[in-house]
Amino acid sequence: AQSVTQLDSHVSVSEGTPVLLRCNYSSSYSPSLFWYVQHPNKGLQLLLKYTSAATLVKGINGFEAEFKKSETSFHLTKPSAHMSDAAEYFCVVSLNDYKLSFGAGTTVTVRA
Amino acid sequence: EPEVTQTPSHQVTQMGQEVILRCVPISNHLYFYWYRQILGQKVEFLVSFYNNEISEKSEIFDDQFSVERPDGSNFTLKIRSTKLEDSAMYFCASSGETGASYNEQFFGPGTRLTVL
Repeated sequence: AQSVTQLDSHVSVSEGTPVLLRCNYSSSYSPSLFWYVQHPNKGLQLLLKYTSAATLVKGINGFEAEFKKSETSFHLTKPSAHMSDAAEYFCVVSLNDYKLSFGAGTTVTVRA
Repeated sequence: EPEVTQTPSHQVTQMGQEVILRCVPISNHLYFYWYRQILGQKVEFLVSFYNNEISEKSEIFDDQFSVERPDGSNFTLKIRSTKLEDSAMYFCASSGETGASYNEQFFGPGTRLTVL
């Protein structure tokens, strides 16, 4: 069965420093992977998605993620954190056409 | 920019009562979903809906749950007799025409259901 594991429940960074959110996946075939972000009292917003077209995926707000099959990873990065990046981030795998499976989430805190 | 909306934002109910959570998906979308997140746990898939019928449902989605698209715009989740363990944030989502796995699902802000 396909699943994702987010390796950090909480990440704290200083403004202007890089952000790394780690996600490993488990899949018997090439998965469709996503990163979603949830700001307080807001819906889940798609940051980026991997659909096998390119291993390095660029998303909104300066985020990007790299699909590494050899490491079964799909880590999310941003070179320079901004205060507005404080939110909860979810790594998600598509199980089929109708169902997404979410990781446990990583809470990002940005220090001034 | 089109968005999914949900009402109410917070619903408090007594155990055993029926609740209906409402969602307005993005207008040209054809696939609709409900997910929930119990406090401190993962977001879990409940059900998907297409062409006026359920496409897939999880083991959580038992006979106490039902979904309906009563008109051309609303998509509802009904819980017939709420239990304490139904307390959670419920997210509605919709996606576009093909329903392919790479299609983005657009999520609403959620309804927080509290069962007392």
